[in-house]
Amino acid sequence: DIQMTQSPTSLSAFVGDRVSITCRASQSIGRYLNWYQQKPGKAPKLLIYGASSLEGGVPSRFSGSGSGTDFTLTISSLQPEDFASYYCHQSYSTPYTFGQGTKLEIK
Amino acid sequence: QITLKESGPTLVKPTQTLTLTCTFSGFSLSTSGVGVGWIRQPPGKALEWLALIYWDDAKRYSPSLKTRLSVAKDSSKNQVVLTVTNMDPADTATYYCAHRPPYSSGYYVECFQHWGQGTLVTVSS
Repeated sequence: DIQMTQSPTSLSAFVGDRVSITCRASQSIGRYLNWYQQKPGKAPKLLIYGASSLEGGVPSRFSGSGSGTDFTLTISSLQPEDFASYYCHQSYSTPYTFGQGTKLEIK
Repeated sequence: QITLKESGPTLVKPTQTLTLTCTFSGFSLSTSGVGVGWIRQPPGKALEWLALIYWDDAKRYSPSLKTRLSVAKDSSKNQVVLTVTNMDPADTATYYCAHRPPYSSGYYVECFQHWGQGTLVTVSS
């Protein structure tokens, strides 16, 4: 199985900050990497697919980059509604696997 | 507008079989390239992929659970059913079904574009 390791596991930041979350795969997955946002008690929401393609309706302050084993989700200017948990997800090969999540909290 | 909704028991006893139904609208599971996946999330923990069924009835399962999982579709009813045998307290989780868009729609990697609200299943005697 491909292991996905996110860092940090938690992060505190101010509204307006620029933040980055990284995801590392245990083997090369090309660009088969997706990012989801999840708020408490809600289903995950697709933000980024294919490492860098923005899902429709997602604000442009979200961006994704990387390929191979190292990927980054960046939020350019945090808004109050961005405080949530974020998960990376590899769809290179089954079993598809998710990172352990990053909880983004207000400082 | 694509929607999905999971339904089934909220409480099952250990060793029992869990059957969950995903009822969807806004897409057809007969359309080439479409899939429906199942993902679960234990309370306070990360997401875990379970299974995926495609428009052509191909199926993929998590190897760690493969002997206990079964997924089937009824395209005429717009439903996908997940069965998990021999339930254990460790299977307590919120179970989600999710729509996998076809490559023809521009999604050049597999991803889960739309999700159901999830249903919490507790395993306890």
